[in-house]
Amino acid sequence: GAVVSQHPSWVICKSGTSVKIECRSLDFQATTMFWYRQFPKQSLMLMATSNEGSKATYEQGVEKDKFLINHASLTLSTLTVTSAHPEDSSFYICSARHQAGGDTGELFFGEGSRLTVL
Amino acid sequence: GQNIDQPTEMTATEGAIVQINCTYQTSGFNGLFWYQQHAGEAPTFLSYNVLDGLEEKGRFSSFLSRSKGYSYLLLKELQMKDSASYLCAVMDSNYQLIWGAGTKLIIKP
Repeated sequence: GAVVSQHPSWVICKSGTSVKIECRSLDFQATTMFWYRQFPKQSLMLMATSNEGSKATYEQGVEKDKFLINHASLTLSTLTVTSAHPEDSSFYICSARHQAGGDTGELFFGEGSRLTVL
Repeated sequence: GQNIDQPTEMTATEGAIVQINCTYQTSGFNGLFWYQQHAGEAPTFLSYNVLDGLEEKGRFSSFLSRSKGYSYLLLKELQMKDSASYLCAVMDSNYQLIWGAGTKLIIKP
């Protein structure tokens, strides 16, 4: 099946610093990538939808200036958490929709990145 | 509002069968997904239903009734590795996925 790779898997940073998380589709082109956040024992929460070559669409309550999303190519999307604070500590997961899958295509998930802000 | 309900936790015995239910109320419907998530890992796709009925895939089966807003995931011949959270998600009329909170399945020997 299709592979989505996410990096880094773990990151620990100091409060006030910025962290970049990469999401790559390794063997397919993904016109749309999704970024989620998951707090312990809670459901996945969609943060934003990223379309290649255009601005990301953010969900209500997600600060677009704090969570910068760039989808520069059909195989790479990045999420940058700017000026991170302890409350941003979470599990961040990306997913990509296979271009051939259309609107109801299967989503392939990255491995997730666990961010801990001290 | 949009809502997905599934039990918080279930316990079953190795080798047995377990059914995890999911009910939903969403603005529109473009399919229902089941994902498996082991602790600390990203979800992996199990099944997709858009028409009423049962979809069987090996030990896992998924059922959908659109008129009742109801789905279930059936796991047969349970193995210890099936211990995980099972997430139900519905794609609404805007093709957005609405996620349930997940059902933690505990398998006992």
